This record gives sequence, structure tokens and C-alpha cells, in this order.
Amino acid sequence: AQRVTQPEKLLSVFKGAPVELKCNYSYSGSPELFWYVQYSRQRLQLLLRHISRESIKGFTADLNKGETSFHLKKPFAQEEDSAMYYCALSSINQGGKLIFGQGTELSVKP
Amino acid sequence: DVKVTQSSRYLVKRTGEKVFLECVQDMDHENMFWYRQDPGLGLRLIYFSYDVKMKEKGDIPEGYSVSREKKERFSLILESASTNQTSMYLCASTGTVYYEQYFGPGTRLTVT
Repeated sequence: AQRVTQPEKLLSVFKGAPVELKCNYSYSGSPELFWYVQYSRQRLQLLLRHISRESIKGFTADLNKGETSFHLKKPFAQEEDSAMYYCALSSINQGGKLIFGQGTELSVKP
Repeated sequence: DVKVTQSSRYLVKRTGEKVFLECVQDMDHENMFWYRQDPGLGLRLIYFSYDVKMKEKGDIPEGYSVSREKKERFSLILESASTNQTSMYLCASTGTVYYEQYFGPGTRLTVT
């Protein structure tokens, strides 16, 4: 079964501390993994995609097929990073259908 | 600018009422989706549509139906609202860039 698991409901860190939001998946095949973010009072939006291998707002995520993980990392958290983060999985064969994790709320304290 | 709009931000309905949630996108996207968003459960797919008059069940279709008569509009219908359908409902659409879903602002539905 296809599944995305985010084990932490809430992650609280201080400004300047490193952040790692965990994401594990189960999928038989070649999945594509994404991180979506929802800031307070804003719409859910795409943050980054594993294939692009780029850093967005200082965040990076590496797909580890051996551990079936796609953790989101940032070396120095900022207060404006406080938001709800969702890991999501898709396959090109599914025409845009995404499977989302449970979400992790990141709170960055001053 | 990409736009997905939903007919209401907040809605309060009584148990047993028929409820319509409307979603409109102006990007000429083929694919449209309805999710419900609940704390601790994330986003769960209710229904999706790849084209006009086409619909497919998602993971939690029970108690819901959908309608897509025009490409830009995708409606979610609660035939007989129940209290366990109290939730935030999100509409999304995607086009040729299949993985980037554009979300609406959401409708917070309360069923009393």
C-alpha cells in the first residue's frame, strides 16, 4: 500500500537551530516526493520536489530510497519558517494524484 | 496569477442538510481534486476529476459526491450532512505540471 508517514505532529525549535522534519514512505515503484507548506492564513503550496534537488528558502530534502525517507532539513531555522509542512508522494502514472502525510507543525521560537 | 477560489470560507449547516461546496479555477487545468484536512490526519482525498463529466473516488468518498459540468468548476456535494463531516475542505487543481497542485483557500464546514 502507498503511504506517507510523518511521525511528528509538532516540532518546536529555537531560532537559529537546525531543523529536520521527518518523512517516510512506502511505495512499490519509482515515486516522486514533495514537500508542501501552509503558512498561517495562507494556502497550501508546493515547497520543493525531490527531482529538482534545489534549495528553497534554505530548505533541502534528499530522497533516500534505501531508508524510504525524504526528510526536510534547514541548518538555521527562522521564525518565518513556522508553518504546517506536509510530505507528499506521487507517480507520473497517477496523473497528479498525491498522497499526503499527516503533517508536521513547525514552531520556531525567538 | 494562478487562482483557485472556493465559494465560502466558513459554512455552518445542520445535520441532514444537503451541502454544496463550489470550486472554480481560472488556469484551464484538466485535473481537479477535493480533500478534507483534519488535524493529525493530514489531507485525505475525497474525489478527483481528470476531465469534464469524469470523476473518480479518492480514499474517503463515502457520504460525498461530486459534479464537474464545466472544466473550470468542480463541486463537492454532501447529500445529508453529518457531524463527522465537520472539517476543512480544500479544493486543488493541476495541469500539465502534474505534481504542482494549486490549492484554494479552504472552506471550514461545521455541521451541528
